[in-house]
Amino acid sequence: DTAVSQTPKYLVTQMGNDKSIKCEQNLGHDTMYWYKQDSKKFLKIMFSYNNKELIINETVPNRFSPKSPDKAHLNLHINSLELGDSAVYFCASSYLNTGELFFGEGSRLTVL
Amino acid sequence: TQLLEQSPQFLSIQEGENLTVYCNSSSVFSSLQWYRQEPGEGPVLLVTVVTGGEVKKLKRLTFQFGDARKDSSLHITAAQPGDTGLYLCAGPNYGGATNKLIFGTGTLLAVQP
Repeated sequence: DTAVSQTPKYLVTQMGNDKSIKCEQNLGHDTMYWYKQDSKKFLKIMFSYNNKELIINETVPNRFSPKSPDKAHLNLHINSLELGDSAVYFCASSYLNTGELFFGEGSRLTVL
Repeated sequence: TQLLEQSPQFLSIQEGENLTVYCNSSSVFSSLQWYRQEPGEGPVLLVTVVTGGEVKKLKRLTFQFGDARKDSSLHITAAQPGDTGLYLCAGPNYGGATNKLIFGTGTLLAVQP
């Protein structure tokens, strides 16, 4: 049973296209996150939702739009993709009061 | 801005050797976590340390939180190839919001058989 699952695992697309990544967690956590890991393996938070409410919105271009239809799902839509968007995007979940993250396997986005 | 600097950045050792990874900051953290990330996978939480001076052991891994809560170390005894991976420390941002973790710069460990 996968705890945090995200799809797709790989995306290869052209500049200017729009793409979405979906994430689901079955751990009963109340908080979900999107992190971006760059080519140097640095992990940086992008967004966080607690019970479907946006609670963290880092300095991210507004081409990135997260959506949480319920507390078990968090999706990420990216418009007008740019070369610099190439990275691995990780979904994670936790209980808000512990902050101990459970990560998905990542979605590697390559923009050509 | 809070930063977590890890050293070394890369480490390649032989099976059976010991090693220590450091996580340092000029800021005080209410707690620190350590994660291990294997290739093609997401980070997995190893431990959380919350008290200055605290030492926690996980089999051959020993984690220590500095007395001033500005640094932490991870010591691996008799490393094995299965220990290979990216080790990341992480702590909550200033103000203690536990849900906003700042990650360290990472240490990539390769253990050769």
